[in-house]
Amino acid sequence: EIVLTQSPGTLSLSPGERATLSCRASQSVSSNYLAWYQQNPGQAPRLLIYGASGRATGIPDRFSGSGSGTDFTLTISRLEPEDFAVYFCHQYGTSPFTFGQGTKVEIK
Amino acid sequence: QVHLVQSGAEVKKPGASVKVSCKTSGYTFTTFALHWLRQAPGQRFEWMGWIDEGTGGTKYSQKLQGRVTITRDKSASTVYMELTSLRSEDTGVYYCARSRGSPYDYWGQGTLVTVSS
Repeated sequence: EIVLTQSPGTLSLSPGERATLSCRASQSVSSNYLAWYQQNPGQAPRLLIYGASGRATGIPDRFSGSGSGTDFTLTISRLEPEDFAVYFCHQYGTSPFTFGQGTKVEIK
Repeated sequence: QVHLVQSGAEVKKPGASVKVSCKTSGYTFTTFALHWLRQAPGQRFEWMGWIDEGTGGTKYSQKLQGRVTITRDKSASTVYMELTSLRSEDTGVYYCARSRGSPYDYWGQGTLVTVSS
């Protein structure tokens, strides 16, 4: 199965700063079927990015995804207070579908 | 709008079975696949399997094959996930999520399953 490794584990930043999150796959993600989700405590995940760079419906343009093959990045251009949460990547190109372990973006 | 509403928390003893439901609304039930995922405390999400809402065809994780069964009731727009021979490692939050060859755009609210003697 494809193992997704996210870095860093925790990102400590201030509102207004730029956040850059990484997701590395153990083998190439088929058709760049890589998604990013945001999850707040006690809530279900929210889809942010699909197909590595497509923004899901209703997602602000401060969220952007990039990358291909085995290396992917989620960028939040200017952090808003509501962006402090856990983010994880997900590959849905090859069964079994797998997930990264998550990056926590916390207030510095 | 689209809603996926799951059944409530469960506490089970090792060796028992659990069945979690996911009632859908707000879209035509037979046009998507419903996946089941789980998240153990402090762990990453694990994909368990999915069912085609229309055909009822299923695919399961090899790791859980033989212990997990996903079914659906078209008349009730509801999908069920049953996990048997429960062990402590099965403790976690279980989610249903909607997909159509795509990532999960709508999720249930999650169901906590606790396995403890």
